[in-house]
Amino acid sequence: NAGVTQTPKFQVLKTGQSMTLQCAQDMNHNSMYWYRQDPGMGLRLIYYSASEGTTDKGEVPNGYNVSRLNKREFSLRLESAAPSQTSVYFCASSAVVNTEAFFGQGTRLTVV
Amino acid sequence: EDQVTQSPEALRLQEGESSSLNCSYTVSGLRGLFWYRQDPGKGPEFLFTLYSAGEEKEKERLKATLTKKESFLHITAPKPEDSATYLCAGFSGGYNKLIFGAGTRLAVHP
Repeated sequence: NAGVTQTPKFQVLKTGQSMTLQCAQDMNHNSMYWYRQDPGMGLRLIYYSASEGTTDKGEVPNGYNVSRLNKREFSLRLESAAPSQTSVYFCASSAVVNTEAFFGQGTRLTVV
Repeated sequence: EDQVTQSPEALRLQEGESSSLNCSYTVSGLRGLFWYRQDPGKGPEFLFTLYSAGEEKEKERLKATLTKKESFLHITAPKPEDSATYLCAGFSGGYNKLIFGAGTRLAVHP
């Protein structure tokens, strides 16, 4: 049982480049989330999808876009990367919103 | 502003030395509080959900409790494998997001 799978695990981007982080879950969960984690700060919600076909902004959505491709997959796109987006990104899923969430292994992104 | 604050930031224990981690919150209309464990380089792993003041949950050497203003994670006779960062997060019924604390880094030495 893979749970939540994120790709890639590591990425280095130049300022202004774009990229998409991929996330897939195999637990038939309705809700999916993207968080970023920075040193000394808690996980902060970027975007979430309460159910297939819906997406909503979280606490720090600026500079990001998301797509809920289907029930399994939820991608995060950086259109024009900035150094402030250097962080560790986590995808998570839960059966419904605000229940026990399962996290992926994270993507460590560096923007230079 | 809704906040979750964890203390201490870091804690060093000797194996077998019991202690507690604190999570205080100012989340209006708190509907529930989560505890997670995070190992270096990995994603958080779910431990407990607490929904109401007075509730307690246990798992092996860990016990989580909830009051109206804070939650405690008690670690009894810890072992080195309990070393990790412990995160708490609260959610309100008013919006669909968790508010995470910055975590407590626990190191248990033999």
